[in-house]
Amino acid sequence: AQSVTQLDSQVPVFEEAPVELRCNYSSSVSVYLFWYVQYPNQGLQLLLKYLSGSTLVKGINGFEAEFNKSQTSFHLRKPSVHISDTAEYFCAVSSPLQGAQKLVFGQGTRLTINP
Amino acid sequence: ETGVTQTPRHLVMGMTNKKSLKCEQHLGHNAMYWYKQSAKKPLELMFVYSLEERVENNSVPSRFSPECPNSSHLFLHLHTLQPEDSALYLCASSHARSYEQYFGPGTRLTVT
Repeated sequence: AQSVTQLDSQVPVFEEAPVELRCNYSSSVSVYLFWYVQYPNQGLQLLLKYLSGSTLVKGINGFEAEFNKSQTSFHLRKPSVHISDTAEYFCAVSSPLQGAQKLVFGQGTRLTINP
Repeated sequence: ETGVTQTPRHLVMGMTNKKSLKCEQHLGHNAMYWYKQSAKKPLELMFVYSLEERVENNSVPSRFSPECPNSSHLFLHLHTLQPEDSALYLCASSHARSYEQYFGPGTRLTVT
């Protein structure tokens, strides 16, 4: 079975500071990893994904994540955050279904940017 | 309309009511999903349809009944719900075997 653990439920950061949101996973098969963002009163939006290849993945809005197989981690980073980055961030791992994909999500990390 | 839409956005219902949630995708996808998002809990996958066939039923109580009449529409029929069913219900869609799912804005359900 697959599972995802997001180690921090809340992360407060000052504007223009760097941030790292931590994610660890467990899986017995090849992993495909994702970070989604949820702004208030909205659905989830894909930030970035790791399927194969380079372990450093760049996504939208200046975010990036690094896949570390030995540490089973996929931490999300941004070098300088903005007020508009205030949202909830979800790490997820995927496994194939018949003609679809099954996403297993972590508990989420609420990122709050303070001016 | 573009993307994935859900109606209604908010719903309050009593435990004896019957209601339905609707999801529509305008992306040409052929897989659709229902998720439940409760406070303090991870998103839970409820149902998955691929090419209008249900391929996943994640031990969801029978008071939730999904319907997928075609690849663009997905419904969740609700009856005799419990207060603990209050949550945000999210619909998503994707191409079959694609790893990227597109989410709707959700329906905020309150059961009184």
